Amino acid sequence: GAGVSQTPSNKVTEKGKYVELRCDPISGHTALYWYRQSLGQGPEFLIYFQGTGAADDSGLPNDRFFAVRPEGSVSTLKIQRTERGDSAVYLCASSLQTGGPYEQYFGPGTRLTVT
Amino acid sequence: KQEVTQIPAALSVPEGENLVLNCSFTDSAIYNLQWFRQDPGKGLTSLLLIQSSQREQTSGRLNASLDKSSGRSTLYIAASQPGDSATYLCAVRRSDPLLTYKYIFGTGTRLKVLA
Repeated sequence: GAGVSQTPSNKVTEKGKYVELRCDPISGHTALYWYRQSLGQGPEFLIYFQGTGAADDSGLPNDRFFAVRPEGSVSTLKIQRTERGDSAVYLCASSLQTGGPYEQYFGPGTRLTVT
Repeated sequence: KQEVTQIPAALSVPEGENLVLNCSFTDSAIYNLQWFRQDPGKGLTSLLLIQSSQREQTSGRLNASLDKSSGRSTLYIAASQPGDSATYLCAVRRSDPLLTYKYIFGTGTRLKVLA
């Protein structure tokens, strides 16, 4: 079946603008994760959803970042008043079950560039 | 706080060479360790997963070892090929049952195999 998909693949925005990044998890996967990968670094955890609710949002860097998953499937990561330091690849992953060490399947990422 | 480091950061080798990538972690209380491959514009592909009770895992030309007590893992690639060119990431999961869902990634090794 289809893997995790993310749109857009690339996004260029001006400093101060609002952006939305979308993640479509594997069908039937109840858990969804967002990670951020800055240039030359490994991915860093941002937020984890169990169904519709955020079970752990401890990785969100500040209150400009917000994520939703209203129907327990597609998720949107929203960034307000973007800054140049937000430039990174944003990765989404999903797993069949929630919590625990279930294998996470990663999407191709959205490359965000803030000019 | 768990920190994961990978050396070297970049590696360029001629085709056919055997090579070793290194990963170290500061907290030995891990649930498992996983090696991923990352190609530009694509998601992370899982290569090998080693449970904390295991010493090594093998898949084809790849062999990963784990020495939990010393906080080290190595990924051995035999008879390297140009198609092996990619970024290799290691990631650990903590043994705390409330936190095993969270990957902690290393900084990655960018491998280039020359034809």
